[in-house]
Amino acid sequence: GENVEQHPSTLSVQEGDSAVIKCTYSDSASNYFPWYKQELGKGPQLIIDIRSNVGEKKDQRIAVTLNKTAKHFSLHITETQPEDSAVYFCAASKGGGGNKLTFGTGTQLKVEL
Amino acid sequence: EAQVTQNPRYLITVTGKKLTVTCSQNMNHEYMSWYRQDPGLGLRQIYYSMNVEVTDKGDVPEGYKVSRKEKRNFPLILESPSPNQTSLYFCASSPPDRGGYGYTFGSGTRLTVV
Repeated sequence: GENVEQHPSTLSVQEGDSAVIKCTYSDSASNYFPWYKQELGKGPQLIIDIRSNVGEKKDQRIAVTLNKTAKHFSLHITETQPEDSAVYFCAASKGGGGNKLTFGTGTQLKVEL
Repeated sequence: EAQVTQNPRYLITVTGKKLTVTCSQNMNHEYMSWYRQDPGLGLRQIYYSMNVEVTDKGDVPEGYKVSRKEKRNFPLILESPSPNQTSLYFCASSPPDRGGYGYTFGSGTRLTVV
C-alpha cells in the first residue's frame, strides 16, 4: 500500500521567516495530495491541496509544489505568524473508487516571536 | 453548520470494559472513516464505510468494530479495550468517489485505557 514519509518532525522558525515541510510518497498511482493543519484540541483541517496534473498551487501565504517524477511534494509557508503554529500533516490518495487518505507522520511547527 | 460530531471528547476506561465512541455527520456524506492518531505515527485508518451497511477494514482494524446502520452515524466499538488502544481518535466523512477530497474531521476523542 501507499507509504507517506514527512520531514521534519519539528520545525521552529522566527516570525516572518519561511517554513518548508517535505513529504515523499511511494505509490505512483496517487494523484491527490492535501495538507492539513491541526491546532491543539481540534481535528485536522484542510489548508491546501494539489492534484497530480498540477506542479504548483498557491493560496496567499501558503503554497504546495509537486514533483511526480521524484514522488515528493512540499508545503511552503511564507511570512510566518504565531497563529501558524500547529501540527501539519501531508497526505496522499489514489482516488478512484475509494476515498482513503494515507497520512504522513506530522510536523510540529512553532513560530517564535 | 456542516460538521462531524464525536462523543465523548475524553474517556478514561479500564481494560476489558466495552465502550462505544459515537460519530455523526450532517452533510449527507456516503463515506465515513475512523482514524487513530499516535505520536510519531500520524493518522492511521481503522475502518471505513462506503455507504449504509458497507464497511471495510483499514490499516489497523484489530480490536475494533464498526457499524453503519444509518447514513449519518458511524460508531466505533471497542469490545475489550487494551492499553495499546490508548490514543486520539478521529471520525471523518466525505462525499463519495472524490479521491480523498472533501474530508471533514470531527474534533477527536482522547481515549485512555488503564
